[in-house]
Amino acid sequence: EVQLVESGGGLVQPGGSLRLSCVASGFTVSDNYMTWVRQAPGKGLEWVSIIYTGGNTYYADSVQGRFTISRDNSKNTLYLQMNSVRVEDTAVYYCARTEYSTSSGAFDIWGQGATVTVSS
Amino acid sequence: EIVMTQSPASLSVSPGERATLSCRASQSVNNNLAWYQQKPGQAPRLLIYYASTRATGIPARFSGGGSGTEFTLTISSLQSEDIAVYYCHQYNYWPQFTFGPGTKVHIK
Repeated sequence: EVQLVESGGGLVQPGGSLRLSCVASGFTVSDNYMTWVRQAPGKGLEWVSIIYTGGNTYYADSVQGRFTISRDNSKNTLYLQMNSVRVEDTAVYYCARTEYSTSSGAFDIWGQGATVTVSS
Repeated sequence: EIVMTQSPASLSVSPGERATLSCRASQSVNNNLAWYQQKPGQAPRLLIYYASTRATGIPARFSGGGSGTEFTLTISSLQSEDIAVYYCHQYNYWPQFTFGPGTKVHIK
């Protein structure tokens, strides 16, 4: 079965750090473009970051310089390292496969989400 | 940044009736436009890509149209399980993906 399972969410103080994990099954993370999307409470979807198959990484301006996307090919796992977190980073974080061969960029597989709460 | 807008913000439709949702891009995204359905407490689900192609397993009552800057999602005969928020998403300008603010569909 093709699926993504996130973990690592929780409560963190402003200025702190947290690492989210996203384990893939049924497909290979490194063969795909992989994305993080977040959703603040009661709000819409916001693209956060993407890692290309070749390893290039890109970020939304709101997280540039604070968040780092990476992957571990041996574990078929995607990560989001969140540093210097702010109250406004509070959200559910979803990992998603960015399907290119058929759709040129739609997000076709989503994880169930990991909740991150930034509060003192 | 490409700004996506959606209208209406909220829509009440009787069961079996047609629902039409609109999405507009601040500049042309060609047909690189997707629609997602999000039910309460769940992750988004891909419905439509390339503006009009249904994703795997999506019922035929969902259809998409448009190109350039104007797009629509139509639910031909609303079912109770279609109650959700629907988001459009442009993926024409890699890697700066953007979503619309969503349209919430209610049962009348």
